[in-house]
Amino acid sequence: GQNIDQPTEMTATEGAIVQINCTYQTSGFNGLFWYQQHAGEAPTFLSYNVLDGLEEKGRFSSFLSRSKGYSYLLLKELQMKDSASYLCAPTNDYKLSFGAGTTVTVRA
Amino acid sequence: DAGVTQSPTHLIKTRGQQVTLRCSPISGHKSVSWYQQVLGQGPQFIFQYYEKEERGRGNFPDRFSARQFPNYSSELNVNALLLGDSALYLCASSSLGKSYEQYFGPGTRLTVT
Repeated sequence: GQNIDQPTEMTATEGAIVQINCTYQTSGFNGLFWYQQHAGEAPTFLSYNVLDGLEEKGRFSSFLSRSKGYSYLLLKELQMKDSASYLCAPTNDYKLSFGAGTTVTVRA
Repeated sequence: DAGVTQSPTHLIKTRGQQVTLRCSPISGHKSVSWYQQVLGQGPQFIFQYYEKEERGRGNFPDRFSARQFPNYSSELNVNALLLGDSALYLCASSSLGKSYEQYFGPGTRLTVT
C-alpha cells in the first residue's frame, strides 16, 4: 500500500517563501511528481524528481531524498496566483499515488 | 495543439444507473490513465491503458471498467452507481507507457443523487 503525508494547509504573504513537505511510503518507487491544482480545475505538472537532490525551475524548486522517503516543494517570491492546492505524487511506473494535497493561501 | 479533452463536463445521475465518460488524449500520446478525485482529497488511480492494453488497475470495484480504442481515446464506464461515486473524474495522457509527465484533462464532474 501507500502512505503519503503532507500538511493540510499553509498560509504565507505575497513575496515570501513557502516549503511544502511530503513524506511517503509506497510499494515500488520510480520518482515523485508535484502538481498544482486550482479550485475546480485539473492538476497541472510542476516538477518530476527521479534522483536525489534539488531541481530548480524558476520560482519553484523540488527536492527528493529517496532513502528518507521525503520530498519538498519550495515556492519563492509568492504571488497571489500561487494560491492553490499542491499535490505530492510518488509513482511506481504506471500509476501516480497522490497525497490529499496542501492548500496554500497567499495573502497580500 | 489541443490538450486532453473530456466529455461531458458535468453529469447528474441517479443511484443504480450506469455512466460512460470519454477522454481524448493529446495527439501522439498512447497512454491514458483515469483518476477519481473526491472533494477535498487527491486523485485516486483507477486504470491505465497503453497501446489499448490495460497496464494497471487501482483499488476500485468491478463496477468500474474502461477501454482504449485504436485512436487511443478511452472510455470509463461505471455501473450500478452509488452516492459515493460522486466525484471529479480525471483523465491523463502521456506519451510513454510509464507515468512520466502525465497531462490532465479538465475532468468530468459526476453527481449521483
